[in-house]
Formats: sequence, structure tokens, C-alpha cells
Amino acid sequence: AQTVTQSQPEMSVQEAETVTLSCTYDTSESDYYLFWYKQPPSRQMILVIRQEAYKQQNATENRFSVNFQKAAKSFSLKISDSQLGDAAMYFCAYRSPTGTASKLTFGTGTRLQVTL
Amino acid sequence: NAGVMQNPRHLVRRRGQEARLRCSPMKGHSHVYWYRQLPEEGLKFMVYLQKENIIDESGMPKERFSAEFPKEGPSILRIQQVVRGDSAAYFCASSPNDRYGYTFGSGTRLTVV
Repeated sequence: AQTVTQSQPEMSVQEAETVTLSCTYDTSESDYYLFWYKQPPSRQMILVIRQEAYKQQNATENRFSVNFQKAAKSFSLKISDSQLGDAAMYFCAYRSPTGTASKLTFGTGTRLQVTL
Repeated sequence: NAGVMQNPRHLVRRRGQEARLRCSPMKGHSHVYWYRQLPEEGLKFMVYLQKENIIDESGMPKERFSAEFPKEGPSILRIQQVVRGDSAAYFCASSPNDRYGYTFGSGTRLTVV
């Protein structure tokens, strides 16, 4: 079974600065998907960014980018120019490509605080 | 497109009662997933359904919990004879296929008193 580990329960960043959230995972599969989800106090789960394992290029979405190291099974999220609205819980998630295994496996989350 | 709709947003039940949680997937999405989030924890997979079929229920407790996704109407997660430990946020997500990311609903917070 796949596991996802987020070793930073809490992180803090100043507004306009850059922060990196860590995520590692364990799998024996060669093809899979990785995600970062944001959960603000409203509780809504919001997809931040997605990475296909077969793509070597790191995914980017505006101020959000990932550092995907497949051999190291590492998938960190970098938030540039942090904004107050980025404050939330961030969850890393793994998904097998197809069929009955296509559920998401989540890490335990990192709570990000953004200070002035 | 209204997104994934879950209702109710909040549900309070007394111990021993039944809880019924509803989820309407996004238009065109035929894959539905239910997750449970205990306080200060990540989401844990419960069940994966397609229309009229349970594909994977490996995360469902063996007793008191059931799920369905009928041909017509929303997906229902049913919890019979609720206990305090069932208090959690229950999220539904939908997907057009099993290869893309999901869209989550806003969740139902169940409180058992």
C-alpha cells in the first residue's frame, strides 16, 4: 500500500516571502499522480497543483510550483510571494493511475501560517 | 456547473440514530468517492462508486456504514446507529474518469451527541 508523509505539522512564512512544504511517499508503482490540496478554514478542499509521474517537468500554477524528485520519492510544494489568503492546511496526496486503486491517499497535512 | 453538492452542511444526530449524507456529483462525472476527516487529521478514503456499482469499499467500516450511487439521484452515505466516534467531516468528491484529480464538495460535518 502507498503511504504519504508530511513531516512538517506547521510552517510559517512572512507575506511576500517564499515557503516550501515537504512531502515524501512510498510506492512500488512506476506510473501515478501526485497532488497538493489546500484546505482553508472553510473546510473546502481545493486542488492546488497536479503532477503526473511520467512527466519529468515540474508542474507550475502561477505562484505555486513543485519539485518532483521521482527517484527520491519526494514532491515538495513551493509557494512564492506568499499572500494572507494562502494560510490554510495543505495536504499532499497520491493516486494510482486506474481502476480500483484510484483512490487518493493523503498525508497528515501541514498548517501554513502567513504573517505580516 | 454547480460543482459537487453535499447536503446537509451540518448534521446533528443522537447516539443510535441514522445519518444520511447526500452527494450530487458534478455534471458529467460518473465516479464518486467518499472520505472521512477526523479532527486535526487528513482525509481517509472510505468508498469509491460508479453508477449503481461499488468499485472499492476497502475503507468502509464493516458494520453500520453503507453507500450507494443509484442510476438516478445523488450518492448516499448511510450510517446506522451512530456513535460518538462517527463525529467527523465527511467529504464527497467526483471525477469524470479514474485518471484525473477530483473535485471535492464542501463536506458534511456530522456531530453525534
